[in-house]
Amino acid sequence: DTGVSQDPRHKITKRGQNVTFRCDPISEHNRLYWYRQTLGQGPEFLTYFQNEAQLEKSRLLSDRFSAERPKGSFSTLEIQRTEQGDSAMYLCASSLGTSGRSLNEQFFGPGTRLTVL
Amino acid sequence: AQSVAQPEDQVNVAEGNPLTVKCTYSVSGNPYLFWYVQYPNRGLQFLLKYITGDNLVKGSYGFEAEFNKSQTSFHLKKPSALVSDSALYFCAASYGSSNTGKLIFGQGTTLQVKP
Repeated sequence: DTGVSQDPRHKITKRGQNVTFRCDPISEHNRLYWYRQTLGQGPEFLTYFQNEAQLEKSRLLSDRFSAERPKGSFSTLEIQRTEQGDSAMYLCASSLGTSGRSLNEQFFGPGTRLTVL
Repeated sequence: AQSVAQPEDQVNVAEGNPLTVKCTYSVSGNPYLFWYVQYPNRGLQFLLKYITGDNLVKGSYGFEAEFNKSQTSFHLKKPSALVSDSALYFCAASYGSSNTGKLIFGQGTTLQVKP
């Protein structure tokens, strides 16, 4: 399977614990995005990487959240001191960057469902 | 504020009938518009996009969408619905001169196609 993969698919943790999620994008894609989706809502943008550079972060991304893409390939999203409000589906997507008046579509992974007890 | 709205939580159609799933947007500048579909326990799948050019865009599985700049809409359509089209559909927009590609999603519309 050459699509976007995410690990783990499910994570249950207790409030106050740290969690880390991994995303492996499609290999030739230089752009990588993280989104959060809660029940009954559309995904909300969290952060964006072009290669290894984190170029944009949403105000939704509090200082408890950190994301990395150290070699411009896989990415990790860490949540420190989890809260019950962090319970959501965390989605990763990748795309091939373009220039000019064009935009390639994003390919989404299956998501990591986080439950904070 | 930038936003995408899908005014219907659910759309019900009979198999074989035409379907429309509505989407309106409010973004600055020229928008890039997308439709994605989400099946249970599966990731979002790309259906089609509007970047520029012809207002009628054709996509996967027989779906199409019409960009209407004056009404700021991008409705998804299909001439003849299939039961297998039943899923959750999301409209999304990207915007801005920096072309980062970050997407703003609508809240989703559940399409139910009955035999």
